Amino acid sequence: GENVEQHPSTLSVQEGDSAVIKCTYSDSASNYFPWYKQELGKGPQLIIDIRSNVGEKKDQRIAVTLNKTAKHFSLHITETQPEDSAVYFCAAIYGGYQKVTFGTGTKLQVIP
Amino acid sequence: DTGVSQNPRHKITKRGQNVTFRCDPISEHNRLYWYRQTLGQGPEFLTYFQNEAQLEKSRLLSDRFSAERPKGSFSTLEIQRTEQGDSAMYLCAIGGRGRNEQFFGPGTRLTVL
Repeated sequence: GENVEQHPSTLSVQEGDSAVIKCTYSDSASNYFPWYKQELGKGPQLIIDIRSNVGEKKDQRIAVTLNKTAKHFSLHITETQPEDSAVYFCAAIYGGYQKVTFGTGTKLQVIP
Repeated sequence: DTGVSQNPRHKITKRGQNVTFRCDPISEHNRLYWYRQTLGQGPEFLTYFQNEAQLEKSRLLSDRFSAERPKGSFSTLEIQRTEQGDSAMYLCAIGGRGRNEQFFGPGTRLTVL
């Protein structure tokens, strides 16, 4: 089955700086990679996703890159704001199945 | 608002009791999922419904767990003879327009004493 590793587990940045979270996956059959933001007491919120036929995708201050050869994908948040503070999860979907495998999460703290 | 409501939001029960959670998509969605999330971990897949058919089940879904989606709309997850290890957040998700998109509800937090 799929295994997703995520680093770092915690990340503190000053407001306005950039934050980068990295993930690796194990199964080359995975072809969809969503990122979720989870605030305390709430369910995960889908913030951006990328498919395996695309190398990069951007949505305002958030971007995701994918390196299929190395099985790496990353989340980049620019101009961070205090409201970006949350736990972020990367995930991968294995082939034609519907099961999402999540990483272990990164707790991002943006210091005002 | 992801279009999914879950009830109850919190449930405290004693070991050995049965509990049932409900997931209500606001509008019709073919795909519905259940996940379990323990503290400090990412969600873990439990099961997937395509309309009323349960098409995928995780090995995490032991004999004490059963999920149903009788009319292809709302879904229930029942845990029988609860154990302390069942304490977790139980999340329901619905499929989006994209083939693999999943949108999560707010979850039901279960505490087994």
